[in-house]
Amino acid sequence: QKEVEQNSGPLSVPEGAIASLNCTYSDRVSQSFFWYRQYSGKSPELIMSIYSNGDKEDGRFTAQLNKASQYVSLLIRDSQPSDSATYLCAVGRSARQLTFGSGTQLTVLP
Amino acid sequence: DGGITQSPKYLFRKEGQNVTLSCEQNLNHDAMYWYRQDPGQGLRLIYYSQIVNDFQKGDIAEGYSVSREKKESFPLTVTSAQKNPTAFYLCASTRTANYGYTFGSGTRLTVV
Repeated sequence: QKEVEQNSGPLSVPEGAIASLNCTYSDRVSQSFFWYRQYSGKSPELIMSIYSNGDKEDGRFTAQLNKASQYVSLLIRDSQPSDSATYLCAVGRSARQLTFGSGTQLTVLP
Repeated sequence: DGGITQSPKYLFRKEGQNVTLSCEQNLNHDAMYWYRQDPGQGLRLIYYSQIVNDFQKGDIAEGYSVSREKKESFPLTVTSAQKNPTAFYLCASTRTANYGYTFGSGTRLTVV
């Protein structure tokens, strides 16, 4: 069983729609959860972090965490073509030791 | 501006050759990491270092070596023992808990 699993995609949504990206993890004592965006040929950039159950909003992005279900998600509202990228979920017992999922490729269609 | 600098951006290795990838940070971060990324496989941890003069193997350390003689620098050597080194190599660093990783721009290594 993979430690961090993401919906494999690729995921396509029309411009202006909500994109929903999902991630499950196996280590019950995980405390730190991050979402990274990676454009093709580029390095990952941190877009969201979440540590407590519930929702965390930052602009068009909302991260949702449910530790009981070992599930973390990222919602992108009003999706734009510039959001087209691979999104990586990272989970760890601390922020200094993260495990990454294999990523979900998102395409936002104009 | 603070950040992580990886060099070179592109590197070509001949069979049987060792090559070294550079990673330098001026963020005053304690922990540094090396990841390998292959298409469709996400990031796999090669080595990491939490403090100077100390480092640990990650999931795929065979055929690689590192050193951490300075806080700012964490070079990765890809040895001839690594039989399939063609990949995108990413260096990252972090300060303490709750900050996540900052990544360098990566080095794309190709065997010729």
